[in-house]
Amino acid sequence: EIVLTQSPGTLSLSPGERATLSCRASQSVSARYLAWYQQKPGQAPRLLIYGTSSRATGIPDRFSGSGSGTDFTLTISRLEPEDFAVYYCQQYESSPPTFGQGTRLEIK
Amino acid sequence: QVQLVQSGAEVKKPGSSVKVSCKASGGTFSNYAISWVRQAPGQGLEWMGGIVPILGTSNYAQKFQGRVTITADESTSTAYMELSSLRSEDTAVYFCARGVPYTTLNRFDPWGQGTLVTVSS
Repeated sequence: EIVLTQSPGTLSLSPGERATLSCRASQSVSARYLAWYQQKPGQAPRLLIYGTSSRATGIPDRFSGSGSGTDFTLTISRLEPEDFAVYYCQQYESSPPTFGQGTRLEIK
Repeated sequence: QVQLVQSGAEVKKPGSSVKVSCKASGGTFSNYAISWVRQAPGQGLEWMGGIVPILGTSNYAQKFQGRVTITADESTSTAYMELSSLRSEDTAVYFCARGVPYTTLNRFDPWGQGTLVTVSS
């Protein structure tokens, strides 16, 4: 199965700053099949990005995704207070679909 | 828009089984895959398996093969996940999530609210 490794494990930033989260795959993943989710405590994950760079319905444009092959990035251009959460990448090119271990974005 | 509503929290003894339901409303049910993803306390997300109701076929992660059964009732737009031979390590929040049509290999949107299953003697 494809293993996704996210870095850093924890990212400490202030509101207004730019966040860059990384997701590295153990083998190449088609850009069509890479997604990002946001999860807040006690809530279900929410789809942010699919197909590497397409925003899901209702997702603000401060969230953007990029990447190819084995390296993918989620960027939050200017952090809002509600953006502090855990973020997961997911591949759905090959079965089983797998998730990274998550990056915790915390307020500095 | 589609909403997924799951059944309530469960407390089970080791060795027993649990069956969690996921009812869809507000959209098409039968041709969209429903998957089950679990999250142990303080841990990440783990796909267990999924079903495309109209096809009647389920796919399971190898880790859960033989212990998990995912079914769907098109008449009530409800999917079910049954996990047997429960052990303490199965204590987790279980989520259902909708994918895209006709395949269980999916991105997931939306998600149910989650069902906490606690396995304890």
